[in-house]
Amino acid sequence: GNSVTQMEGPVTLSEEAFLTINCTYTATGYPSLFWYVQYPGEGLQLLLKATKADDKGSNKGFEATYRKETTSFHLEKGSVQVSDSAVYFCALSEANTGNQFYFGTGTSLTVIP
Amino acid sequence: GAGVSQSPSNKVTEKGKDVELRCDPISGHTALYWYRQSLGQGLEFLIYFQGNSAPDKSGLPSDRFSAERTGGSVSTLTIQRTQQEDSAVYLCASSLSRLAGGSLNEQYFGPGTRLTVT
Repeated sequence: GNSVTQMEGPVTLSEEAFLTINCTYTATGYPSLFWYVQYPGEGLQLLLKATKADDKGSNKGFEATYRKETTSFHLEKGSVQVSDSAVYFCALSEANTGNQFYFGTGTSLTVIP
Repeated sequence: GAGVSQSPSNKVTEKGKDVELRCDPISGHTALYWYRQSLGQGLEFLIYFQGNSAPDKSGLPSDRFSAERTGGSVSTLTIQRTQQEDSAVYLCASSLSRLAGGSLNEQYFGPGTRLTVT
């Protein structure tokens, strides 16, 4: 079946540090991959997505590359800011299994000045 | 434009009572999803509506949970005889259907309803 496994949190970084949040997936076909972010007190919102192998999604300085060979979609940012403090969710959706989205458990990031 | 809205934002209820949670999706979105987010957990899929098709109820945890979507727009999630383990944030999301070529559109989430069963 389909599933998403992401790095356990919480993660605490100093401002301007490099961020990696690991995400691997299991899928029966060719999924689309997503990163969602949930800022404190707000709803989930899409951060970036990639719909096929080797695609790179990017937004707000965050990047993730769809790696079919390693079934991964790791989130990276070169220099985090305090405003990046949030919970990050990796997700996949696959047309072959209907329109369900499968989410990881979320990784909490705190950036300290 | 207006996003997905949910009401109430918070609900405290006594064990054994029934509750109704409401979701207003983005106008024109044909797909609507309900999820549950428990403390420290990921998002648990509950139910999915797509247009006039029969809903995918495969994620509903028990027969105490039901949902309907009237007129292809507003949806109500009902929990009967609530239990303490039902305490969670209930999230609704909507999306357009698939893009041409088969890739899926992103989901837009509402702010959630925090349910506390005492």
